[in-house]
Amino acid sequence: GQQVMQIPQYQHVQEGEDFTTYCNSSTTLSNIQWYKQRPGGHPVFLIQLVKSGEVKKQKRLTFQFGEAKKNSSLHITATQTTDVGTYFCAHNYGQNFVFGPGTRLSVLP
Amino acid sequence: EADIYQTPRYLVIGTGKKITLECSQTMGHDKMYWYQQDPGMELHLIHYSYGVNSTEKGDLSSESTVSRIRTEHFPLTLESARPSHTSQYLCASSPISGGSEKLFFGSGTQLSVL
Repeated sequence: GQQVMQIPQYQHVQEGEDFTTYCNSSTTLSNIQWYKQRPGGHPVFLIQLVKSGEVKKQKRLTFQFGEAKKNSSLHITATQTTDVGTYFCAHNYGQNFVFGPGTRLSVLP
Repeated sequence: EADIYQTPRYLVIGTGKKITLECSQTMGHDKMYWYQQDPGMELHLIHYSYGVNSTEKGDLSSESTVSRIRTEHFPLTLESARPSHTSQYLCASSPISGGSEKLFFGSGTQLSVL
């Protein structure tokens, strides 16, 4: 399948600092999705990007799809303790969904 | 909010027992999935279904089996549980919507095999 990689694997930030996680593929993706999983919870869909160079914002979260549609990023401005969790990128491949390994974010108060 | 339910939420059983993890969704979604996940780690696809009477194995080899007799129900069965099966099992569903599919996850079943 079309695997996607994510970096970093872990990120510890002080509350109020910014955070960015990157999702990379060796092949062109038709779309990219982002999910958030709180500790002890289940993944929850955040957003989908489909167009080259697309940028979408949700409050303090900014999502970007690369021009070549091979990478994506999620940026959180001024992190809060409620942002704690694991962020997964994923894409629709055929009939299935392929997930990246996730970036686990810790926010220190 | 998604209407997809998993039971039990937690299960502790002894080695060799047969177990069935239940998953039901009331959204009429055709596609359903089972993922295995260790805490905070990658999601591994173990089974999926495109509709009634359709079942396929995922990327991760699994000793479990699934059935899809009704659209809303996608149970997963382990014939003989082993300690290596200890993990969280997440069920998910997705509608067929021409490129805008997204996954709705249940709350998961945390399985511990002693």
